[in-house]
Amino acid sequence: QKEVEQDPGPLSVPEGAIVSLNCTYSNSAFQYFMWYRQYSRKGPELLMYTYSSGNKEDGRFTAQVDKSSKYISLFIRDSQPSDSATYLCAMSPFGSARQLTFGSGTQLTVLP
Amino acid sequence: DAGVTQSPTHLIKTRGQQVTLRCSPISGHKSVSWYQQVLGQGPQFIFQYYEKEERGRGNFPDRFSARQFPNYSSELNVNALLLGDSALYLCASSDTGTANNEQFFGPGTRLTVL
Repeated sequence: QKEVEQDPGPLSVPEGAIVSLNCTYSNSAFQYFMWYRQYSRKGPELLMYTYSSGNKEDGRFTAQVDKSSKYISLFIRDSQPSDSATYLCAMSPFGSARQLTFGSGTQLTVLP
Repeated sequence: DAGVTQSPTHLIKTRGQQVTLRCSPISGHKSVSWYQQVLGQGPQFIFQYYEKEERGRGNFPDRFSARQFPNYSSELNVNALLLGDSALYLCASSDTGTANNEQFFGPGTRLTVL
C-alpha cells in the first residue's frame, strides 16, 4: 500500500465548475501538506501549503486538512481552462520537511 | 529573480552509461532536494542536501549519488544506467533560514535511456 493515495482521474469539468481533488494518507507523522500544479513537461508549481490541520484559502483555491481522517482536499472555484493540469498532493513529517512524499497526481481538464 | 535552474533540459543515454545532472537553487536557498518522476507518477524523493551535507536519502540504489557545492548548486550522478531510469529528474530548493519549508521546483531534466 502506498503512503499517499490519489485518484489519478482523468477528471473533466466545464468552465466555471467547482473542482474537488483529494488525497488520503497512512503515515500519521505527516505534518506538512502541499498541493502542486504541474503542466505537461514542466516542473511542479507550489499552489498551497498548510501545516497540520485546518483550512487555507488563496483566491480561487482552498486547501483542507483533516488529520483525524488522514484526508486532504483542494477545492478550485470558478475553474478556468488555464487550470487544466495535473495536480499533485505532497506531504512530509516534522523534521523532514524537505523530503516530500507525493501522490500519483490527478489529471484535470477544464473545458471551455 | 531567477528560479531553480537545471541542465541539461533533455538527455539521451544508453544502458550502462553514466549521467550527471546539474541544479542551481534560488539565490539564498541552501537546501537542495532531488526527485525522480516516472511518466504518469508523482515525484519520488532521492536525496536532500543542506550545507553540502546529505540530510536524507530515499529508497534508491547506490548507483545514485549526489553532492552539493559551496555555492549550494548540486549534481546528481547515476551510474550503470538502466532502462527504468528513464524519467524526469527534478531539483527543488528551499530557504532553511525561516520556518517556512516551502520547496520550489525547477523545470527538470528529461532522461531517456535506450
